[in-house]
Amino acid sequence: DADVTQTPRNRITKTGKRIMLECSQTKGHDRMYWYRQDPGLGLRLIYYSFDVKDINKGEISDGYSVSRQAQAKFSLSLESAIPNQTALYFCATSSGTGLNQPQHFGDGTRLSIL
Amino acid sequence: AQTVTQSQPEMSVQEAETVTLSCTYDTSESDYYLFWYKQPPSRQMILVIRQEAYKQQNATENRFSVNFQKAAKSFSLKISDSQLGDAAMYFCAYRSDTSGTYKYIFGTGTRLKVLA
Repeated sequence: DADVTQTPRNRITKTGKRIMLECSQTKGHDRMYWYRQDPGLGLRLIYYSFDVKDINKGEISDGYSVSRQAQAKFSLSLESAIPNQTALYFCATSSGTGLNQPQHFGDGTRLSIL
Repeated sequence: AQTVTQSQPEMSVQEAETVTLSCTYDTSESDYYLFWYKQPPSRQMILVIRQEAYKQQNATENRFSVNFQKAAKSFSLKISDSQLGDAAMYFCAYRSDTSGTYKYIFGTGTRLKVLA
């Protein structure tokens, strides 16, 4: 089983709909992140969380919200989806100890908003 | 603010040849880590190699090695004996502890094509 699991893998929806992307991890990491990937723009940070009571905005948080339901679960919501939120979304985790710790990624959710 | 630049949107290499992907970064931090990630068509993000800023010796992992030039703020990835399975997007990433945030900053990626 994957260490970082994202659901759904793909989603097509309509403008104005509320969408939730879910992420769960079995790595025991305290730090979790949400990114979006767009062609030519790389990965941009939406939100990150260092523990259940800690939520921080990333560089592109407008139009998104998150919830850290437990150490292992971190969900991303689009309250009213718009077409320019069409992208590939990644959840990632990392250990809080040491700069040398890489991020561990889920397999991504490809979201299309019509 | 820290930035990571990958100036080559796309590269091609002949199978069995060597290719170098470039990455430059800008920072005022003295302690940081640099990473290369591979994203194949399956879209997974796979860690390829990492380098600590304090280590002068370049990191190597089998056919993958880096050329880390701290003064020039350059962190290139060399892939030797390229294989068809190396075809992917490659992302350079930087991590430091700026005010305890431990954020990662990614470049825009380089798409590598491997020609048979």
